[in-house]
Amino acid sequence: IAGITQAPTSQILAAGRRMTLRCTQDMRHNAMYWYRQDLGLGLRLIHYSNTAGTTGKGEVPDGYSVSRANTDDFPLTLASAVPSQTSVYFCASSDSGGPTDTQYFGPGTRLTVL
Amino acid sequence: EDQVTQSPEALRLQEGESSSLNCSYTVSGLRGLFWYRQDPGKGPEFLFTLYSAGEEKEKERLKATLTKKESFLHITAPKPEDSATYLCAVRGDSNYQLIWGAGTKLIIKP
Repeated sequence: IAGITQAPTSQILAAGRRMTLRCTQDMRHNAMYWYRQDLGLGLRLIHYSNTAGTTGKGEVPDGYSVSRANTDDFPLTLASAVPSQTSVYFCASSDSGGPTDTQYFGPGTRLTVL
Repeated sequence: EDQVTQSPEALRLQEGESSSLNCSYTVSGLRGLFWYRQDPGKGPEFLFTLYSAGEEKEKERLKATLTKKESFLHITAPKPEDSATYLCAVRGDSNYQLIWGAGTKLIIKP
């Protein structure tokens, strides 16, 4: 069982380019999340999905979009990347998105926007 | 506003030197306080969930405790392999999303 996989591991991207970060989980979890992690700051939620077909905005959603066509996949798209989106991105999943859920994390994608 | 503050930002200990990390929180209706470990270049790894004041949980050299305002992660006789960043997060009634602290970087010197 792999848990959560993310791709790519790292990427250098020119500003203005479009980029999709991929996330796949094999735990049959209903809820999935995208976070960004920046030095000195806590993890910040970008978008989430409590079940396939639904998505919601987190704390820092601007410039990002997500889709949840099925249970396993939750891609994050940067439509036109900007340098402030340079960060490490983590995908996570949990059983139901409920109040006592534990979130499990993928290995991350390190994105640099120049 | 829900908030989490971790201290210290960094802590250097000698192998075997016990200490504690602090996670102070403000949340409306605590639903859970979570501790994670994060190694460099990797994703956070779940350690503990605490749900109510007075609760304690242990795993190897780690023990997490919870009061109404803060949680402590006690590390007893640490080893170099305990070196990592330890993250704290809370979930409250206002919404079910986690609010994260910035973490404490723990370095254990042999």
